[in-house]
Amino acid sequence: DAGITQSPRHKVTETGTPVTLRCHQTENHRYMYWYRQDPGHGLRLIHYSYGVKDTDKGEVSDGYSVSRSKTEDFLLTLESATSSQTSVYFCAISERSSGDSPLHFGNGTRLTVT
Amino acid sequence: AQSVSQHNHHVILSEAASLELGCNYSYGGTVNLFWYVQYPGQHLQLLLKYFSGDPLVKGIKGFEAEFIKSKFSFNLRKPSVQWSDTAEYFCAVNDQGGKLIFGQGTELSVKP
Repeated sequence: DAGITQSPRHKVTETGTPVTLRCHQTENHRYMYWYRQDPGHGLRLIHYSYGVKDTDKGEVSDGYSVSRSKTEDFLLTLESATSSQTSVYFCAISERSSGDSPLHFGNGTRLTVT
Repeated sequence: AQSVSQHNHHVILSEAASLELGCNYSYGGTVNLFWYVQYPGQHLQLLLKYFSGDPLVKGIKGFEAEFIKSKFSFNLRKPSVQWSDTAEYFCAVNDQGGKLIFGQGTELSVKP
């Protein structure tokens, strides 16, 4: 398995609080992604990064921000958590753009917003 | 915009039955196609991929998929399923911007 660590693995938080999820990789891959997984929706891209300090929005980016100050770390922040952000969040990495090379996924973070 | 449709939401089979999971996409240009599998409680793993060449692609664990360009399809098949194939299966296709778009997923339950 690719060296991808997500933290925390589980998080329960209250509506309105900020939350930061961390993804750490040891593969030195250029591309990193944050997806959320919800029943009936599959995986939806939140944000992605194509290099240090280079990020872009995915299809469901509202309410989320990201930062990538080092190759190995990609942070996802929920500025003010809402119940609709209760989900399982997966980080993924790839050597090239995700359409051109396979994604390797982390083990996920289960976030519950009460 | 690219979209991916998996028509079967939940498939229930007995062991040794044959499997075919449907996947259709909308963008008609050059596409790269993937099937990922998620075993219960685990993360997604690559099952197989198609970039070019032979449209019949073989993956791990006896799975294969056929790319039919005229039908915008990339169906997943396995001749004889096992209980250990119980998982959720996701089809994914690149969009025009190079990002990967996933289908809704198909949950496969195999009865022993």
